[in-house]
Amino acid sequence: AQSVTQLGSHVSVSEGALVLLRCNYSSSVPPYLFWYVQYPNQGLQLLLKYTSAATLVKGINGFEAEFKKSETSFHLTKPSAHMSDAAEYFCAVRNAYNQGGKLIFGQGTELSVKP
Amino acid sequence: GAGVSQSPRYKVAKRGQDVALRCDPISGHVSLFWYQQALGQGPEFLTYFQNEAQLDKSGLPSDRFFAERPEGSVSTLKIQRTQQEDSAVYLCASSPPRRVGVNQPQHFGDGTRLSIL
Repeated sequence: AQSVTQLGSHVSVSEGALVLLRCNYSSSVPPYLFWYVQYPNQGLQLLLKYTSAATLVKGINGFEAEFKKSETSFHLTKPSAHMSDAAEYFCAVRNAYNQGGKLIFGQGTELSVKP
Repeated sequence: GAGVSQSPRYKVAKRGQDVALRCDPISGHVSLFWYQQALGQGPEFLTYFQNEAQLDKSGLPSDRFFAERPEGSVSTLKIQRTQQEDSAVYLCASSPPRRVGVNQPQHFGDGTRLSIL
């Protein structure tokens, strides 16, 4: 079984400040991990994905995430927040062995950016 | 088109009516997924197709929900005798053919927002 927990349903930062969105996962098989962003009334856009080739993954818009197996974590960071980063962020996991594996999503974290 | 296309974007129906939601995946993508996203929640898996075969329908909440992909391209999610708890955003996603050792992500459409009155 797999599950995802996102700590903090709402995170607020000032423009230019560090963004840290937390994700912990549970998986009985090797996981593939993802971060998606969702803007209002839109679908999910892939930010980055973990594929086991490297533990530090760089994505679009300056975001990156680090896979820590010992902590079962895949936290998302960005050094300097921009107003346009305000959105809902979802961490997701799926079974690495099953290409048809469904994504299991966390509850989401809403990021607010203050000017 | 370049992305996953879903229609309609918004659908309002009265309780008890049947609805049909359409998904047009990215060309060449053999895998197609449907998810349900309730307000303020993360998406939850409904069903999965590989080409025309429905390989996993474990997430469908009841027998009122039915999905098909007869020619392995466009898919339709049908909900019969709709109820208020069916109100949600229905997301469709597709992914490319499988490659060993490659983490193929799912590409999402903008969803259909279904409101049951």
